[in-house]
This record gives sequence, structure tokens and C-alpha cells, in this order.
Amino acid sequence: DAMVIQNPRYQVTQFGKPVTLSCSQTLNHNVMYWYQQKSSQAPKLLFHYYDKDFNNEADTPDNFQSRRPNTSFCFLDIRSPGLGDAAMYLCATSNRGADTQYFGPGTRLTVL
Amino acid sequence: AQSVTQLDSHVSVSEGTPVLLRCNYSSSYSPSLFWYVQHPNKGLQLLLKYTSAATLVKGINGFEAEFKKSETSFHLTKPSAHMSDAAEYFCVVTLSSGGYNKLIFGAGTRLAVHP
Repeated sequence: DAMVIQNPRYQVTQFGKPVTLSCSQTLNHNVMYWYQQKSSQAPKLLFHYYDKDFNNEADTPDNFQSRRPNTSFCFLDIRSPGLGDAAMYLCATSNRGADTQYFGPGTRLTVL
Repeated sequence: AQSVTQLDSHVSVSEGTPVLLRCNYSSSYSPSLFWYVQHPNKGLQLLLKYTSAATLVKGINGFEAEFKKSETSFHLTKPSAHMSDAAEYFCVVTLSSGGYNKLIFGAGTRLAVHP
């Protein structure tokens, strides 16, 4: 089945220690999104890629970076995680111009 | 501007009774509207989508929603709740921006289903 895959499902890191979250997709969609979802809140868009064109949301902290080496993969890098970055991180995909996004299962990040 | 208001943060029903989750929207043009469901520690799953083809939209797992333009509402219903329906539900409207469609989320409604 075509799908969006996120690894790992659970990630524990230490305060200030860089961490990378991974997303891959078999849908062949050209747009990939990263969302941050804190407890009991709606998801918040951090940034998205259309192919290799990176689009950052205005209020996304510089601590968050992303890479998309090819159509299938997209990475979220948190350079110096703080306690406030503990959250569920969701990856989603869509085709450009299409309004339906398909979500992965998420990675739950814990910062100690 | 696009926005969504989910009128109830928590809804509690008994198994086998009807479910109603309320959503009002604001849109400057004909909107695309969605309901997504999120089970604990899981990603978001698309329940259903409205795109002006029909005002009554049927989704997965017996859910449906009716688009009412006059009331700017898109309420989610199910005739008979099941224990597995316990989850967080998000009403979503899209915002077109520079060729991309951003999702504007409501705050979410937590549905509890009791035996």
C-alpha cells in the first residue's frame, strides 16, 4: 500500500543534543510537510517542500531545519532541542495544487 | 480569511448512541473542508472531505458530514458510536497560498465513548 512512513516512532534525546527525524513516502507526491503537535493542541505547520523548493513558515524557529535529498525522503533536524520542543512531529504529503494531505504515524520526541 | 471553530472541546457518548461533533467555518471563497481523526499516539487519518460536489459527504467508519453554507457549518455525525471511535477529531479548512494549500485546523474535539 502507498503510504507515509516515519522513523523512529519514539525518539528520546538530551537537552541541546541534535536530533534527526525521518519521513519517507511511496505516494510519489511532490509536496512534503512537517508539523509539530504539542499535547492537546492542533498540528502546527513548520515548513514544506515542493520538490526541492523549501518554504519556511514565518514563525518557525531557526533551531528547526529540513532536508529533502530526493522525492521520497524528507528529514527534520532539530539543532539544539529544548524542553519546549518535546512534541509529536508529523510528516504529510500531497501533490501540488491538491488540497488533501496524507499523514504519517508521527514521531513522539522526548527531551530530557 | 479562513478559520475553523470546533464548538466542543470534549464530547462524551455511550456506545451505540449517535455522535455529533460540531464545526463552523469562515471562508472568503468556496472552501474545501475536511474531518481528520487522530487516535492516541497516532498520525492523522482522513475521515472525509467536502469539495462542493455534494453537500452530504460520506466518510469511512460510518461517519458523514453535511455542508450547510447558510449556517457556515460542517458538522460530523455517526448514527451509532463504537468504542473504537474514541479519539481526537479535527475539522480543517484549506487556505490557498502561492499555489499551495495550507491546512487550517480547528482546536480539536476529544470524543469519549463509554460502555
